[in-house]
Amino acid sequence: GQNIDQPTEMTATEGAIVQINCTYQTSGFNGLFWYQQHAGEAPTFLSYNVLDGLEEKGRFSSFLSRSKGYSYLLLKELQMKDSASYLCAVMDSNYQLIWGAGTKLIIKP
Amino acid sequence: EAGVVQSPRYKIIEKKQPVAFWCNPISGHNTLYWYRQNLGQGPELLIRYENEEAVDDSQLPKDRFSAERLKGVDSTLKIQPAELGDSAVYLCASSPGQSDTDTQYFGPGTRLTVL
Repeated sequence: GQNIDQPTEMTATEGAIVQINCTYQTSGFNGLFWYQQHAGEAPTFLSYNVLDGLEEKGRFSSFLSRSKGYSYLLLKELQMKDSASYLCAVMDSNYQLIWGAGTKLIIKP
Repeated sequence: EAGVVQSPRYKIIEKKQPVAFWCNPISGHNTLYWYRQNLGQGPELLIRYENEEAVDDSQLPKDRFSAERLKGVDSTLKIQPAELGDSAVYLCASSPGQSDTDTQYFGPGTRLTVL
């Protein structure tokens, strides 16, 4: 079967750095997406990785290792508004997104 | 540019009643998706449209769920009759349809509560 694993919840301090990991086992691979979802709101796109390596976009970076079935989202200079759930999703061989359950990130002052 | 629009935002109904959700995708987006999201879980695809054609409805419970996308723009998702287990957030998303790996953009969702 297809599986996406990410931690259920993480806590970090304002101004610090946090890394949210995602491991996956899917039927084929056509890229990995990270979305941010604030409580009661829609998921919003953060990043897309299809090749190995690190993609940096402002305070957010996303890393992919296809051989290890592993990705992480790195958030720097954390702000209170970064408190949200972060969803990892893999596009499989049928170009369908397989979603993780999300990691709830709690930022403390 | 306007994002994906959904209505209503909230709906409370009693079990066995029908309910319908409406979605207007981003202008020019050919691909439209309906997802269901339960609390603490990721979205689950119900149906995907390419223009007016449903190209993936394998996970749509067809005994009670139906969807349509007339003229390849707006879409409606219907549940009849609703069951207690249908309580969830129903998300609509759209993508340009120019590539299979296009980013999907989500609407705010409809939160359905079945009593």
